[in-house]
Amino acid sequence: ELKVEQNPLFLSMQEGKNYTIYCNYSTTSDRLYWYRQDPGKSLESLFVLLSNGAVKQEGRLMASLDTKARLSTLHITAAVHDLSATYFCAVDFNAGNMLTFGGGTRLMVKP
Amino acid sequence: GAGVSQSPSNKVTEKGKDVELRCDPISGHTALYWYRQRLGQGLEFLIYFQGNSAPDKSGLPSDRFSAERTGESVSTLTIQRTQQEDSAVYLCASGRSSYEQYFGPGTRLTVT
Repeated sequence: ELKVEQNPLFLSMQEGKNYTIYCNYSTTSDRLYWYRQDPGKSLESLFVLLSNGAVKQEGRLMASLDTKARLSTLHITAAVHDLSATYFCAVDFNAGNMLTFGGGTRLMVKP
Repeated sequence: GAGVSQSPSNKVTEKGKDVELRCDPISGHTALYWYRQRLGQGLEFLIYFQGNSAPDKSGLPSDRFSAERTGESVSTLTIQRTQQEDSAVYLCASGRSSYEQYFGPGTRLTVT
């Protein structure tokens, strides 16, 4: 079965703190995506990770991919309130035909 | 430039009625995807088009759901005899290649 699991599902953190969101997936893939979704809005693409060891950074967010461990992480550095949103990872198991999404991590950053 | 657009943005319908949801992809994007997002959950794949063909219909939840695409452009997702469990946000995405999926704003469907 193709499964993608994220944890935690909910994360409340203070501004200025660091934290990591984890995304595990069930079977081989070397294509993983991270999206951000604000309430009532659509999905905004954050990162596309296409190979083992890939690391991408944008502002306070950094994503990495370990295909051997079937694990991706989204690291948040010195969180700010504007990062409050739901973050989804998604895995392409089928060469571009579809994405299998994790359940999402709802992040709340408190002042 | 113009992104993926979907219409209507909101649709309230009575149980048992048919609904049509429309997706206009980004011009030139050959790949088009439909997903469903229930409240508080992740996205669930429904169907994928490459050009006007749908090689993968495995995600359609029942035979009440169908989709078509014409002119390698607009796509419609039709739900017949709607049920309350069909209530969700239906998201469309398009891409030039299998490496990218740009999402539209979604259609929020409420079945009463």
